[in-house]
Amino acid sequence: NAGVTQTPKFQVLKTGQSMTLQCAQDMNHEYMSWYRQDPGMGLRLIHYSVGAGITDQGEVPNGYNVSRSTTEDFPLRLLSAAPSQTSVYFCASSYSIPRSSYNSPLHFGNGTRLTVT
Amino acid sequence: DAKTTQPPSMDCAEGRAANLPCNHSTISGNEYVYWYRQIHSQGPQYIIHGLKNNETNEMASLIITEDRKSSTLILPHATLRDTAVYYCIAALTGGGNKLTFGTGTQLKVEL
Repeated sequence: NAGVTQTPKFQVLKTGQSMTLQCAQDMNHEYMSWYRQDPGMGLRLIHYSVGAGITDQGEVPNGYNVSRSTTEDFPLRLLSAAPSQTSVYFCASSYSIPRSSYNSPLHFGNGTRLTVT
Repeated sequence: DAKTTQPPSMDCAEGRAANLPCNHSTISGNEYVYWYRQIHSQGPQYIIHGLKNNETNEMASLIITEDRKSSTLILPHATLRDTAVYYCIAALTGGGNKLTFGTGTQLKVEL
C-alpha cells in the first residue's frame, strides 16, 4: 500500500513550457485534490474531484487543468508555465462521505517542487 | 468553513507536554475541528479531529471547550520529531474535503 504517490519530486521548467504533475493513490479514495504551497503561506486548493469524471475548481485554479478518468489518478496540467507557478504542489486524497458533515482524513503525497524560470 | 486563529510559533522542551491553542469562535454547530501537521518538506499528516467531546489517539489529545469556540491540541511528551507546523481547521462539507489550511503554528521542540 503506497498511499499517495506524486511524480516527479522536482521539476524545472522554462516559461511557456507545459507539463503534467502526476498523482496516484491506491486506497480507492473517491476524493482527490491538488494544493500549492508558497513560502510563508498556507496550502491553497487548486482543483479537486469527488469521483471519476467529476472535477471542480478550488481557490486558485487559473493556469491549471485537471481530469479524473480513473479513481486512482488525478493529474495536474500546466499548459503554459509562468514564474508565478513556482511552488510546491501537494496531492491529497480521502474517502468521500456524501451528505455527511464528517471529513474522512486527507492523505497527502510528499509533493512536487516546481521551479519556473 | 469557520476561520481559525493560531499563534505563529511556540517552543517546547523535549519530554514536556506541548499545548497548541486554536481559536474558532465562529464555528457552527456541525463543523468538526481537525488538526494536521507538516514536518519540513513533507506533505501534511492528519493528527486528530473532534466535534464536541475531547478525543485522544496514539498521537495526541484534543480538548474542545464547552462552547466550542476554542480547542487545544496536546502532545503529551513532545520529542524532537514533533517539530513541525501544526494546522487547526474547522470544516464542514457535504461530501467533499476542501479543507482550508492557514499558516498554522510552528512548533519547535528543543533539548
